[in-house]
Amino acid sequence: GAVVSQHPSRVICKSGTSVKIECRSLDFQATTMFWYRQFPKKSLMLMATSNEGSKATYEQGVEKDKFLINHASLTLSTLTVTSAHPEDSSFYICSARPSETQYFGPGTRLLVL
Amino acid sequence: EDQVTQSPEALRLQEGESSSLNCSYTVSGLRGLFWYRQDPGKGPEFLFTLYSAGEEKEKERLKATLTKKESFLHITAPKPEDSATYLCAVQPDPSGGSYIPTFGRGTSLIVHP
Repeated sequence: GAVVSQHPSRVICKSGTSVKIECRSLDFQATTMFWYRQFPKKSLMLMATSNEGSKATYEQGVEKDKFLINHASLTLSTLTVTSAHPEDSSFYICSARPSETQYFGPGTRLLVL
Repeated sequence: EDQVTQSPEALRLQEGESSSLNCSYTVSGLRGLFWYRQDPGKGPEFLFTLYSAGEEKEKERLKATLTKKESFLHITAPKPEDSATYLCAVQPDPSGGSYIPTFGRGTSLIVHP
């Protein structure tokens, strides 16, 4: 199957700082990538769809200025959590699909103190 | 609105005790139904894609089946290493205006030795 990587896998930061998470498709090009958030023992919550070369599409209730998404190339999308607060602590997962099937990255655990 | 309901929410089995997980769905035109396995602290791992009613796919101890209203993930003689959360997702037909998959909440499976 296709390989999607994320970096970092875990990050701890102080409240008020910004955190950038990278998502890369390693063996295919992805014009579209997806960013999810997952709370403990809950399913995936789609935050936004990242589109290469254009603006991201955000789901209802997701703050665009809080969660900045950049998709500058066909293999890289970044999610920046700006001015992070403890309530932003969560597990963030990206995905991409070379065909009909979505392949997920390993996830990034964010802890905001 | 597309909906995916998985049951049971949690399932405990003894090693070797076969069982089935259910995924009921409503979607405006099914493009595909996906099964994923997710281990704690990791991103979902792709298992199967099913496209039409009557289709079946197998991988080791797992077999996925599909009808027009639901999908089953059959686990035959499970082992402790099969313990994970199993997620189901449906992909709508893009001609309906959306290509975003909808995920269920998952079934948490624990297999005791």
